[in-house]
Amino acid sequence: GAVVSQHPSWVICKSGTSVKIECRSLDFQATTMFWYRQFPKQSLMLMATSNEGSKATYEQGVEKDKFLINHASLTLSTLTVTSAHPEDSSFYICSAPPAANEQFFGPGTRLTVL
Amino acid sequence: GESVGLHLPTLSVQEGDNSIINCAYSNSASDYFIWYKQESGKGPQFIIDIRSNMDKRQGQRVTVLLNKTVKHLSLQIAATQPGDSAVYFCAERRGTYKYIFGTGTRLKVLA
Repeated sequence: GAVVSQHPSWVICKSGTSVKIECRSLDFQATTMFWYRQFPKQSLMLMATSNEGSKATYEQGVEKDKFLINHASLTLSTLTVTSAHPEDSSFYICSAPPAANEQFFGPGTRLTVL
Repeated sequence: GESVGLHLPTLSVQEGDNSIINCAYSNSASDYFIWYKQESGKGPQFIIDIRSNMDKRQGQRVTVLLNKTVKHLSLQIAATQPGDSAVYFCAERRGTYKYIFGTGTRLKVLA
């Protein structure tokens, strides 16, 4: 099946710094990718839809200035957590659809903000 | 707001027994549902899907049942194995590519 990768797999940063997470579709092109956040023992919450060549669409309650999304190419979307704080610590997962009825997920990035 | 939710947060099953994981959804307009398996520290993996014009679909050791009348999904795993231990999510498609996830059920397989 299709492969979606994320980098880094985990990151620890100091409060106030910014962190960039990459999501790549390795063997297919994706005009749309999705970013989710998952707190421990909770479900995946959709944060935003990343659109290649245009602005991301954010879900209600997600701060667009806090979570910057850039879909630079058909195989790469990046999520930047700006001025990270401990409450931003979470597991961030991206997904990309090779086709309408398919959705492949990346392995996730664990962010810990000290 | 509308959501997809699960009845049981944790399910413990004896190895070899069958498992049934349930999910309730609230958007009657949803036309496509998926079950995902997520192991600790990993992203979700596709298990099986079902369209709203079906009420049952079978895969290898897994069956998904859809009851549109009561807006209920279930995932049945036959002969549960230790490798089945994970968190299982149902997801509901909203639009072409957007998926909304349910709460999740942790399946523990007892040896």
